Amino acid sequence: EPEVTQTPSHQVTQMGQEVILRCVPISNHLYFYWYRQILGQKVEFLVSFYNNEISEKSEIFDDQFSVERPDGSNFTLKIRSTKLEDSAMYFCASSDRTSGVGTQYFGPGTRLLVL
Amino acid sequence: AQKITQTQPGMFVQEKEAVTLDCTYDTSDQSYGLFWYKQPSSGEMIFLIYQGSYDEQNATEGRYSLNFQKARKSANLVISASQLGDSAMYFCAMRERMGAQKLVFGQGTRLTINP
Repeated sequence: EPEVTQTPSHQVTQMGQEVILRCVPISNHLYFYWYRQILGQKVEFLVSFYNNEISEKSEIFDDQFSVERPDGSNFTLKIRSTKLEDSAMYFCASSDRTSGVGTQYFGPGTRLLVL
Repeated sequence: AQKITQTQPGMFVQEKEAVTLDCTYDTSDQSYGLFWYKQPSSGEMIFLIYQGSYDEQNATEGRYSLNFQKARKSANLVISASQLGDSAMYFCAMRERMGAQKLVFGQGTRLTINP
């Protein structure tokens, strides 16, 4: 069964460093998402991406964040200058549409720790 | 105001019993979708079941069913014949407006199945 994959599974970085989190969405999906979950809290939407551009973003997704689909398979989240409060689990998700069911299938997550 | 409310932070159930996890939601949209996800201790988010606001039948998916009461704005997840492997966090989520992209999650319920 097709699945969303994410790399790395864990990343430790120093405050102020740039990190790139990578995702390979399900191959025939057109909509891509990033969410984050701070430890012990609920999952929060960051950004959605369709047709090579951001279609929706939350107030969390400020200028420190960017997303890119550099080729036909990868979808990346870059955090330019990490802060302590960026420590969280980051989930990538994809869906084939946003009407009807349009289920978002999540990857296993990248656990980011900023020191 | 909370869009999704899960009032049970934790539930403890004996193996083989049925369990109901509560979820209420708040939206003024007529067209929306409700989702349940399971998050085991390993961290991934697993899609369980979907209910569309216009669906007349309650959704079912194996041992999972959704008790959808539209007038009360509730979408409770029912797990029949619980198993030890059902122990996990369970999140209710809503996608407002068909065509909208972000999922809004509740705080989750931690379900523990006792042998």
